[in-house]
Amino acid sequence: EPEVTQTPSHQVTQMGQEVILRCVPISNHLYFYWYRQILGQKVEFLVSFYNNEISEKSEIFDDQFSVERPDGSNFTLKIRSTKLEDSAMYFCASIAGGLEQFFGPGTRLTVL
Amino acid sequence: SQQGEEDPQALSIQEGENATMNCSYKTSINNLQWYRQNSGRGLVHLILIRSNEREKHSGRLRVTLDTSKKSSSLLITASRAADTASYFCATDKNGAAGNKLTFGGGTRVLVKP
Repeated sequence: EPEVTQTPSHQVTQMGQEVILRCVPISNHLYFYWYRQILGQKVEFLVSFYNNEISEKSEIFDDQFSVERPDGSNFTLKIRSTKLEDSAMYFCASIAGGLEQFFGPGTRLTVL
Repeated sequence: SQQGEEDPQALSIQEGENATMNCSYKTSINNLQWYRQNSGRGLVHLILIRSNEREKHSGRLRVTLDTSKKSSSLLITASRAADTASYFCATDKNGAAGNKLTFGGGTRVLVKP
């Protein structure tokens, strides 16, 4: 069964460094998302992406964040200058056009 | 409370018992979805119920939705140790493809063998 994959599974970085989190959505899906979950807290929406542009973004998704679909398969989230509070689990999700979102296993980002 | 609040926050039951958890939300919705998350893993979609539906079943799962009370419940019957996970409700306001989901805080379920 096709699934969303994410790499790396765990990323450790120093505060102020740039990180790129990678996702490969399910191949025929059209809508892509990033969510994050700070330890012990709710899953929070960051951004949605469709037709090569951002559809919606949350207040969390400030100028430090960007997303890109550089080719036909990858979907990336870049954090330009990481802060301690960016430490969280980051989930990528995709949908074909229905309502059910398919989530990847997540990338745990630890900012030291 | 915020959109999508589950209760209880944690639930511990014996294998074979039923587990019931509730979700309340604040604004109107198009649909409500339940997801499961095993420890440290991604979210797995369980079931979706639309705002014009009152009850839905999928295997051992039963979901109800009461839009007048802005609440939903998830019942897992005859629980198994493998059902140990966190369960989240997520609401979708508009029901259009591409919409974001707003998640609740989750209920941690422990099923003891």
